[in-house]
Amino acid sequence: SQQGEEDPQALSIQEGENATMNCSYKTSINNLQWYRQNSGRGLVHLILIRSNEREKHSGRLRVTLDTSKKSSSLLITASRAADTASYFCATGGDTGANSKLTFGKGITLSVRP
Amino acid sequence: DAGITQSPRHKVTETGTPVTLRCHQTENHRYMYWYRQDPGHGLRLIHYSYGVKDTDKGEVSDGYSVSRSKTEDFLLTLESATSSQTSVYFCAISESTLRKDTQYFGPGTRLTVL
Repeated sequence: SQQGEEDPQALSIQEGENATMNCSYKTSINNLQWYRQNSGRGLVHLILIRSNEREKHSGRLRVTLDTSKKSSSLLITASRAADTASYFCATGGDTGANSKLTFGKGITLSVRP
Repeated sequence: DAGITQSPRHKVTETGTPVTLRCHQTENHRYMYWYRQDPGHGLRLIHYSYGVKDTDKGEVSDGYSVSRSKTEDFLLTLESATSSQTSVYFCAISESTLRKDTQYFGPGTRLTVL
């Protein structure tokens, strides 16, 4: 079963605008990760936030985590055409060493030049 | 890019034939995974390995088997391919416990079963 559910499914913005993507999940987690996938390529890790963290930054990326609402958001500031890709959230389980990393279905981001 | 290669990158085969996909890493990471990606389903874990000869099932393991005889190689076998196994297959690796660590992905193998 899918743990992470991204919202919206698709997002189209103008270059220079900010893009906000959301992820909700159902059970307790150890961490939440965001990945990017360019068309025809493998996934690339963007950022990991642990369950005891509330906010994390990496370059133009800002991730927040609200464990009480079981949700996360990924903000990409000053978007560029090169940010056009699919974005996935993935949740790391909290029970047992072999709990899986479960991926959502992804958000398609289009940044218009 | 992390040192992960997949072969073949594209394959077309017929229903009922056996197919083996190979994942090779040069990072000496302990954990290796096979996922499939399908429209509307995202990424789903097929099998994973936590060491040489140590493997376990994922979410969608029926119809698939795996083997890992060396740290660097993880093979995915479809014993008798079916059309429902048409998909893009991704290999991934991670250094430590799968739920806690970043995963690095290979470029993918596009498999078509006619």
